[in-house]
Amino acid sequence: QSALTQPRSVSGSPGQSVTISCTGTSSDVGAYNYVSWYQQHPGKVPKILIYDLNKRQSGVPDRFSGSKSGNTAFLTISGLQAEDEADYYCFSYAGSNIYVVIGGGTKLTVL
Amino acid sequence: QVQLQESGPGLVKASETLSLICSVSGGSMRNIYWTWIRQFPGKGLEWIAYLFNGETTYNPSLKSRVTMSVDTSKNQFSLKLTSVTAADTAVYYCARIKYTVGLDPMGQGTLVIVSS
Repeated sequence: QSALTQPRSVSGSPGQSVTISCTGTSSDVGAYNYVSWYQQHPGKVPKILIYDLNKRQSGVPDRFSGSKSGNTAFLTISGLQAEDEADYYCFSYAGSNIYVVIGGGTKLTVL
Repeated sequence: QVQLQESGPGLVKASETLSLICSVSGGSMRNIYWTWIRQFPGKGLEWIAYLFNGETTYNPSLKSRVTMSVDTSKNQFSLKLTSVTAADTAVYYCARIKYTVGLDPMGQGTLVIVSS
């Protein structure tokens, strides 16, 4: 069981927007603005999209954005494209002892 | 640009020690946080350990079995996981911690299967 809760799957049509949630606690997501999001295509290495809650890694399209409300972080993908079909994972800082907690991953299907 | 490459046995017997090396090229290892994570066959990810200038921090759930170390003369860092079981079967990635919980780059990953 993962420390952060993500929906197992989400879907959307090309051009639409989808939002993936990542729910933690007041000790991780709620306490720090240190959330990262990763995209992983089948058989590939996870690739960082968003760091420090809402900063895009260099080269990542501005269709990808991060935000937070309370103990839940969100990844929003606008203008869905077929190539966005992948698994998405959230990471949150959880203090110096635990360091990071990770979500179970969300499979995005582009219909 | 920094590149990482994991190496080590792909098959380890249960109860033995898993040993992996991460070779770093394209940059210095000093004053950088380095880490190991793993991805289970069911795709879940788990952080294992990180290291900064020789000082290590371990996942509390693995602390009793894990050792991470660095050899800056070889531009490598390593992972040892003792008393492995089938539950340790995973793809092991090494990575640079570029942001607080932002890993970039990651190595290509190496699959380690624990056999009984």
